[in-house]
Amino acid sequence: DVKVTQSSRYLVKRTGEKVFLECVQDMDHENMFWYRQDPGLGLRLIYFSYDVKMKEKGDIPEGYSVSREKKERFSLILESASTNQTSMYLCASSLRLNRDRNYEQYFGPGTRLTVT
Amino acid sequence: GDSVTQMEGPVTLSEEAFLTINCTYTATGYPSLFWYVQYPGEGLQLLLKATKADDKGSNKGFEATYRKETTSFHLEKGSVQVSDSAVYFCALISAGGTSYGKLTFGQGTILTVHP
Repeated sequence: DVKVTQSSRYLVKRTGEKVFLECVQDMDHENMFWYRQDPGLGLRLIYFSYDVKMKEKGDIPEGYSVSREKKERFSLILESASTNQTSMYLCASSLRLNRDRNYEQYFGPGTRLTVT
Repeated sequence: GDSVTQMEGPVTLSEEAFLTINCTYTATGYPSLFWYVQYPGEGLQLLLKATKADDKGSNKGFEATYRKETTSFHLEKGSVQVSDSAVYFCALISAGGTSYGKLTFGQGTILTVHP
């Protein structure tokens, strides 16, 4: 089974702190993704990475950065946390697009971040 | 661009009732279609998928058929249980000439099943 793990289930941080959210997958997937989920807004893509050291902005990258130094690990960084970044953060991974069409995304359990 | 439209929720059913959650889509290219489920306080789990027209995905008693002619992928279950209470998301990946698969989600449908 594919396993995607996230470093924390719950996190409380203060405004202005630098926050690191870590995600690790064990299936040798090329692609990794960070989403945030908010009531009424659904899931929104923050950043994704299709290879080591490669990254692309998603729909809402402002206030976030990412790092992918190893294939299995994808980190989301909040440079200076703000209260409007209080949310559920979900990491996902998938294979690169392929002829077999088995490139579904597998999600981690999520990190509920509260910024006070 | 790609989009997914799900029936408005929430949906409330009694145990053993029949479930349908409608999903329609628009996509560039030839998408793969998915249903994800999210139980309270958890991440999303892949429930089922279909990758080509007329494919039927199935899992845990849930089914959905990829209907290209109607651009639909409705989720059904013949007899729901209390444990099926969750949020259900319809989603697609359209290859669109990129090397990655960007998921487009519907807005989610909250299902509550009462004993």
